[in-house]
Amino acid sequence: DAGVIQSPRHEVTEMGQEVTLRCKPISGHDYLFWYRQTMMRGLELLIYFNNNVPIDDSGMPEDRFSAKMPNASFSTLKIQPSEPRDSAVYFCASSFGSGYSKQYFGPGTRLTVL
Amino acid sequence: AQSVTQLGSHVSVSEGALVLLRCNYSSSVPPYLFWYVQYPNQGLQLLLKYTTGATLVKGINGFEAEFKKSETSFHLTKPSAHMSDAAEYFCAVSPYNQGGKLIFGQGTELSVKP
Repeated sequence: DAGVIQSPRHEVTEMGQEVTLRCKPISGHDYLFWYRQTMMRGLELLIYFNNNVPIDDSGMPEDRFSAKMPNASFSTLKIQPSEPRDSAVYFCASSFGSGYSKQYFGPGTRLTVL
Repeated sequence: AQSVTQLGSHVSVSEGALVLLRCNYSSSVPPYLFWYVQYPNQGLQLLLKYTTGATLVKGINGFEAEFKKSETSFHLTKPSAHMSDAAEYFCAVSPYNQGGKLIFGQGTELSVKP
């Protein structure tokens, strides 16, 4: 099993540009989570899906952030327009059967907004 | 709102010494509890979790944690530290009836001296 796959691994962009982060969960997993990690705020849950349906997006910071899961094997997190304060490492994680099950994390995308 | 407090952002031990990483949670109802480890430039990996049953939980790599309801604590221990244990450790809670969303503590960086 390849594990959770995230792309790109690193992204450098300029303020105001659109950024799209991608995630492929482990095959068969029915929960998908997006987290953000910063020095100031630590690890925060942004949104999670169950069977491709968004369940809780209360952690999404503002309308500039959006997430989709068009099918069981793909999810995107989009920031438009990006701002320097969005610079962080974004992790995707997936789990099977229950959100309380072990979550498998991807390697993360390090985003730098100049 | 539930929260997690990890005492000590940095802990340093000698190789072979006891490792003790502290975690306290705030909740009127005991949540599910987790410890995750993050090695440099990697995603998080589950060390162990407590849901119900035995309060002493054994995890991977020789780590264990004990759930103490009266103290609202879930401290992580390992009898003998190894150089490979150097990493950042995160305690997390998953509140009941919230689908498995994880609320993380701020993390504790463990250094192991030879």
